[in-house]
Amino acid sequence: ETGVTQSPTHLIKTRGQQVTLRCSSQSGHNTVSWYQQALGQGPQFIFQYYREEENGRGNFPPRFSGLQFPNYSSELNVNALELDDSALYLCASSFNREETQYFGPGTRLLVL
Amino acid sequence: GQNIDQPTEMTATEGAIVQINCTYQTSGFNGLFWYQQHAGEAPTFLSYNVLDGLEEKGRFSSFLSRSKGYSYLLLKELQMKDSASYLCAVEGAGAGSYQLTFGKGTKLSVIP
Repeated sequence: ETGVTQSPTHLIKTRGQQVTLRCSSQSGHNTVSWYQQALGQGPQFIFQYYREEENGRGNFPPRFSGLQFPNYSSELNVNALELDDSALYLCASSFNREETQYFGPGTRLLVL
Repeated sequence: GQNIDQPTEMTATEGAIVQINCTYQTSGFNGLFWYQQHAGEAPTFLSYNVLDGLEEKGRFSSFLSRSKGYSYLLLKELQMKDSASYLCAVEGAGAGSYQLTFGKGTKLSVIP
């Protein structure tokens, strides 16, 4: 158990809809990173938040957006869902941006 | 850009030793991580190498050669519960970015 929690655990949406995924970081951690993991692939970096500011972004379109709150929890929002967005979405928190990242259990999103 | 290669699958016998290799070509490098991921679960942190050499932690060891862009994870006294995917990840360098770039993972099957 890493102390990182995510909600919901599973989600089914249809194409064109919008989704919000949530992540609570481990106590004392000020950095949250989000990853997308397709079946049989390694996680792909979406973006990182450090002290409520975006601190790096991967190769994802602008319809993927995020937020970090003063308590360092975070949200990932995806607009205009596409079938290829079906994946496991992982968040990871770290004590500071350069420290080891610890992963939550993930949210499995299915887009129909 | 970042390119990380690791074997797709490996099989080893319970009680044996297995070495999982990872080669990388990256535009920046802060360090290299190994994570273990059981099917349907989140990645869990195994090891971190930033300097050349071997890091030992119980049954698991990890080696890094920065000049060769090469790392390996060594698992000794294999147990059935070690059956999992092993992910090699490079932490990028550069201002404001501590993202992890993952390989596709090596699926290890431990057989009796």
